[in-house]
Amino acid sequence: KQEVTQIPAALSVPEGENLVLNCSFTDSAIYNLQWFRQDPGKGLTSLLLIQSSQREQTSGRLNASLDKSSGRSTLYIAASQPGDSATYLCAVRVGGADGLTFGKGTHLIIQP
Amino acid sequence: EAGVTQSPTHLIKTRGQQATLRCSPISGHTSVYWYQQALGLGLQFLLWYDEGEERNRGNFPPRFSGRQFPNYSSELNVNALELEDSALYLCASRYGTGLYNEQFFGPGTRLTVL
Repeated sequence: KQEVTQIPAALSVPEGENLVLNCSFTDSAIYNLQWFRQDPGKGLTSLLLIQSSQREQTSGRLNASLDKSSGRSTLYIAASQPGDSATYLCAVRVGGADGLTFGKGTHLIIQP
Repeated sequence: EAGVTQSPTHLIKTRGQQATLRCSPISGHTSVYWYQQALGLGLQFLLWYDEGEERNRGNFPPRFSGRQFPNYSSELNVNALELEDSALYLCASRYGTGLYNEQFFGPGTRLTVL
């Protein structure tokens, strides 16, 4: 059974810092991996989608990498801003008939 | 283009009642997924509908059910509500059944069971 782990569970840093969020998964046979952002009590906003054949994706200040063989992905946030404060979720797609399997998220606070 | 929409935003029920949640996918998307986000448990896959059929379900009891209509909108029904059903229920839609297609999420329905 696929399990997704995110480290750290919570992170508080001052504005302007570059930071890395980690995601690991136990079954490397994934089709893709998505990083989401969730604001308190809200739905999910997709940040980046990495297909299994890709190594990384970039969008603005965000960069996500994927190492399928080691079961790891990282989300790099450059020059963090208070507006980046949210919970960041990592999810993988394993089988054709399954939904996404999510980690429990990293709760990020960027201090002004 | 409108995103995935869900209604109602909030729903308050008492134990033993039934709840009905609704989801409208992005235009052109035929697959709808339902997820439950309960406090402390993280997001868990509930149900998947495609082309009007239930294709798969997660590890949830049969009192969680639903359907997909000809216009691809979907309804999630939760019967005999229990306190632990209190959660944020998220709906996602996807174009086709391609294994690599992205899921897009709605804003969710917050269900509170008293």
